[in-house]
Amino acid sequence: ILNVEQSPQSLHVQEGDSTNFTCSFPSSNFYALHWYRWETAKSPEALFVMTLNGDEKKKGRISATLNTKEGYSYLYIKGSQPEDSATYLCASAPFSGGYNKLIFGAGTRLAVHP
Amino acid sequence: DAGVTQSPTHLIKTRGQQVTLRCSPKSGHDTVSWYQQALGQGPQFIFQYYEEEERQRGNFPDRFSGHQFPNYSSELNVNALLLGDSALYLCASSLGTQETQYFGPGTRLLVL
Repeated sequence: ILNVEQSPQSLHVQEGDSTNFTCSFPSSNFYALHWYRWETAKSPEALFVMTLNGDEKKKGRISATLNTKEGYSYLYIKGSQPEDSATYLCASAPFSGGYNKLIFGAGTRLAVHP
Repeated sequence: DAGVTQSPTHLIKTRGQQVTLRCSPKSGHDTVSWYQQALGQGPQFIFQYYEEEERQRGNFPDRFSGHQFPNYSSELNVNALLLGDSALYLCASSLGTQETQYFGPGTRLLVL
């Protein structure tokens, strides 16, 4: 994998459903993996920064896992709520001698319907 | 505590013109990065400024230049605008060059 890829591109779920998205990234030269949530007309909001293989992070109903050997991360949302509707971006930060260049995927657009 | 702010919010220019976008980092942050988001794509890294110097650059032509001031604020300049420069330009700040980046709301540039 040369680029950061996210799937699915978009997702429509009902309130209360649990859902998950995938982020694939180059596993060579890995330094960190970032997840952002981006609501319409707002600034992207940092959710997680993950650096270690097997890392798991949790924030309320949202959690993420990381596999640096195979180059993927999963983001899970348990019991989706309408306020979870947003675009979820992942970004790989390859090791670059002390400077942090984020390489973003195109995002997964989540719509949660009441 | 003010977050990252950007100005202007929207801008319309014509081909060949020059544009300057501005960014004020989150209080206490010393590093500023700029990204371009074209329609349907994820943000693409333009460059990062730390200690008033460009430290890393993405795959953008020399028409894209920047500056960081002693108060850590930053400007992005684009010369000889092309239609393809139409995009949302995001600024992000961090405390240090490898820490979590916090984004502003962006400046939407339309080139006609």
